[in-house]
Amino acid sequence: KAGVTQTPRYLIKTRGQQVTLSCSPISGHRSVSWYQQTPGQGLQFLFEYFSETQRNKGNFPGRFSGRQFSNSRSEMNVSTLELGDSALYLCASSLVERADNEQFFGPGTRLTVL
Amino acid sequence: AQTVTQSQPEMSVQEAETVTLSCTYDTSENNYYLFWYKQPPSRQMILVIRQEAYKQQNATENRFSVNFQKAAKSFSLKISDSQLGDTAMYFCAFAKIPLVFGKGTRLSVIA
Repeated sequence: KAGVTQTPRYLIKTRGQQVTLSCSPISGHRSVSWYQQTPGQGLQFLFEYFSETQRNKGNFPGRFSGRQFSNSRSEMNVSTLELGDSALYLCASSLVERADNEQFFGPGTRLTVL
Repeated sequence: AQTVTQSQPEMSVQEAETVTLSCTYDTSENNYYLFWYKQPPSRQMILVIRQEAYKQQNATENRFSVNFQKAAKSFSLKISDSQLGDTAMYFCAFAKIPLVFGKGTRLSVIA
């Protein structure tokens, strides 16, 4: 089975631009979560989607948004980029039927905002 | 709400030696799962070991084992016979969606 894939792997943007990141979960996984990882803040939860619906949301401004498609693929969008948005963005998928909520992570997208 | 604390930002260990990474957590739940995830320099986060709180027996996966103390809310990871490939960030996590992560411990294995 293919793992979680994320595209692109690297992005360089300038302040004020917007960006869209993509995540394809493991086949059969319907839950997709997004995390932001920075050296200072560690791993912070952005949002989780299940069956095209946002089920959980972290404490991020409205510039961060996401969606999930009927094939469970997910995208996240960041508008009006700020320098502080530079981070590694990780996507994780899971089988909601699992009691342990194990999440499988993609390799991440490294976003640099100049 | 759950919280997870890893008190060791960085650690180092000689190759073939044993190292223990600490993790404490707080929860009001009675049955739950805890994870240790490993994030090597290549960045892909992978699950190392899981522990179900209902089980008293400590989990073991090859060279990795945990010391789970439910009453003390402690969940440490022991790596035996450390190898260079164990060099990574290690995250303790409370298993919910979303995962509740500690800040991580950067482990360096020295030849």
